[in-house]
Amino acid sequence: LAKTTQPISMDSYEGQEVNITCSHNNIATNDYITWYQQFPSQGPRFIIQGYKTKVTNEVASLFIPADRKSSTLSLPRVSLSDTAVYYCLVGDRYSGAGSYQLTFGKGTKLSVIP
Amino acid sequence: DVKVTQSSRYLVKRTGEKVFLECVQDMDHENMFWYRQDPGLGLRLIYFSYDVKMKEKGDIPEGYSVSREKKERFSLILESASTNQTSMYLCASSLGPVSGANVLTFGAGSRLTVL
Repeated sequence: LAKTTQPISMDSYEGQEVNITCSHNNIATNDYITWYQQFPSQGPRFIIQGYKTKVTNEVASLFIPADRKSSTLSLPRVSLSDTAVYYCLVGDRYSGAGSYQLTFGKGTKLSVIP
Repeated sequence: DVKVTQSSRYLVKRTGEKVFLECVQDMDHENMFWYRQDPGLGLRLIYFSYDVKMKEKGDIPEGYSVSREKKERFSLILESASTNQTSMYLCASSLGPVSGANVLTFGAGSRLTVL
């Protein structure tokens, strides 16, 4: 089971870059790393996904070192609207009864300060 | 965009009642999931389904059952609600073979209170 560990909370000022790290020491060969964002009273929504090295989209970047035992979500120049809980999700392919492992971390509550 | 709709945003039930939480997705996704979310515990998978009439247990299936009679609809059933099932319930769906590479699309959630 690829258990994930994230910081419980982080504070940042507007305009700063924020990096949130997720540890997943037992990640398996086929596991992908996916990050979700959740606002209060809403379901999580997809931000970014990667397997190795670096991935960038219009919202964020995801850095994954060679050993893949951790990953870092990078949010450039955060604004107040980025205040949310960020979840790291590690999982692999389902290949039969009882073999599906898709574990959410407990999430990191990011508070952006004016 | 895929839309995942959960029929009830807020429910209040009494201990011992049977509770149905309904979820519908409109983009022909093969996979559907039920999670519960509690403060300090994050999201935990209850059940998932990769095809009509197929279901698999997640991490915390005890006290729950599910039904998937049609591809677009996935129901979570609490046969006899208990106070420790007070929680936020989130439905999600994804396309293709069940895999961690497939993006989950979540509904807005159903907040259940059991008195």
